[in-house]
Amino acid sequence: EDQVTQSPEALRLQEGESSSLNCSYTVSGLRGLFWYRQDPGKGPEFLFTLYSAGEEKEKERLKATLTKKESFLHITAPKPEDSATYLCAVQEWDNAGNMLTFGGGTRLMVKP
Amino acid sequence: DTEVTQTPKHLVMGMTNKKSLKCEQHMGHRAMYWYKQKAKKPPELMFVYSYEKLSINESVPSRFSPECPNSSLLNLHLHALQPEDSALYLCASIQGDMGAGGATGELFFGEGSRLTVL
Repeated sequence: EDQVTQSPEALRLQEGESSSLNCSYTVSGLRGLFWYRQDPGKGPEFLFTLYSAGEEKEKERLKATLTKKESFLHITAPKPEDSATYLCAVQEWDNAGNMLTFGGGTRLMVKP
Repeated sequence: DTEVTQTPKHLVMGMTNKKSLKCEQHMGHRAMYWYKQKAKKPPELMFVYSYEKLSINESVPSRFSPECPNSSLLNLHLHALQPEDSALYLCASIQGDMGAGGATGELFFGEGSRLTVL
């Protein structure tokens, strides 16, 4: 069964304390891996798409990387406004290509 | 501000009521989605409309009924819901048909409709 697992479930950081969030996946054929940010009571906001192992994307303090088994979202010198739930999702090359499988998310809390 | 608009933002209904959630986008996207999200859980796909084709998630009870009046509008009709159906209902859209290789998974989400069933 295809799975997307995120760790840790929750992460508390001090402002400026860099860290990484993990998304591991087992799918038969990866078409794309996506990172979203979700604030409480809001819809997810798209951050990055990664297609192949070795690919990296950056946006402000965030950097996403991809291997054949997992993706990391690196947060450099986070600020309190980076506090949110970060979701990863995978899309597969199969007949159900119109579906994304989401991981459980990592709740990030950055304290000033 | 999100370009996918959902109404109402909050809805409280009894188990015998009939209500509807509405979603609208004017980005010219050809696929629209309904997701259900419980607290501290990831979004779960309910329905997809893509180029006027409906893909149904088989685990969705019949008390949820989607409707796509045109390519910009998506409704979710609710009838005889249960308290466990209380959740955040998210609408999303994408430019192409993900199943046809025309899209990359970048979903644009609305802010959601918070549903409480008493």
